[in-house]
Amino acid sequence: GAVVSQHPSRVICKSGTSVKIECRSLDFQATTMFWYRQFPKQSLMLMATSNEGSKATYEQGVEKDKFLINHASLTLSTLTVTSAHPEDSSFYICSARGLGAETQYFGPGTRLLVL
Amino acid sequence: LAKTTQPISMDSYEGQEVNITCSHNNIATNDYITWYQQFPSQGPRFIIQGYKTKVTNEVASLFIPADRKSSTLSLPRVSLSDTAVYYCLVGDAVTGGGNKLTFGTGTQLKVEL
Repeated sequence: GAVVSQHPSRVICKSGTSVKIECRSLDFQATTMFWYRQFPKQSLMLMATSNEGSKATYEQGVEKDKFLINHASLTLSTLTVTSAHPEDSSFYICSARGLGAETQYFGPGTRLLVL
Repeated sequence: LAKTTQPISMDSYEGQEVNITCSHNNIATNDYITWYQQFPSQGPRFIIQGYKTKVTNEVASLFIPADRKSSTLSLPRVSLSDTAVYYCLVGDAVTGGGNKLTFGTGTQLKVEL
């Protein structure tokens, strides 16, 4: 199956700092990438959808100025958590889908801990 | 978006066949049905996808009745390593919505010796 990577796998930062998470499709071109957040014992919650070369579409309740998404190439999308606070601590997971494909492939996730 | 309903949890023993059924009464014509497996602190892993009838791969089978309002994931001869959360999702890959998927609660499968 298709491979999606994320970097870093885990990050600890101080409150008020910004954190960037990278999502890469390694063996296919991802025209669409998705960002999810998952809290302990809960399901995945879609945060935003990004198409290469265009602005991301955010789900209701997700602040676009706080969670900056860039999908500059067909293999890379980044999520930047700006001015992170402890309540932003979560497991962030990206997924990618190729043009015309029916299947999303997920990255391994990034554990963010904000102190 | 079609909403899905699955059992919250299931228990099984090694070597048994496990069938997890998912209801999706509002599935749309263009929607595919996809199942993912998730272990703790890992991203979901694709298991199988189908549109109608039966699909089989090296790890599972997916049964979809004619009305497509439900689907059943079948895991043959489970092992301890199959203990995980299994998500059933429906989504449209065709429209410009980009196959946005909505995750439900999933089914926590626990396999014991």
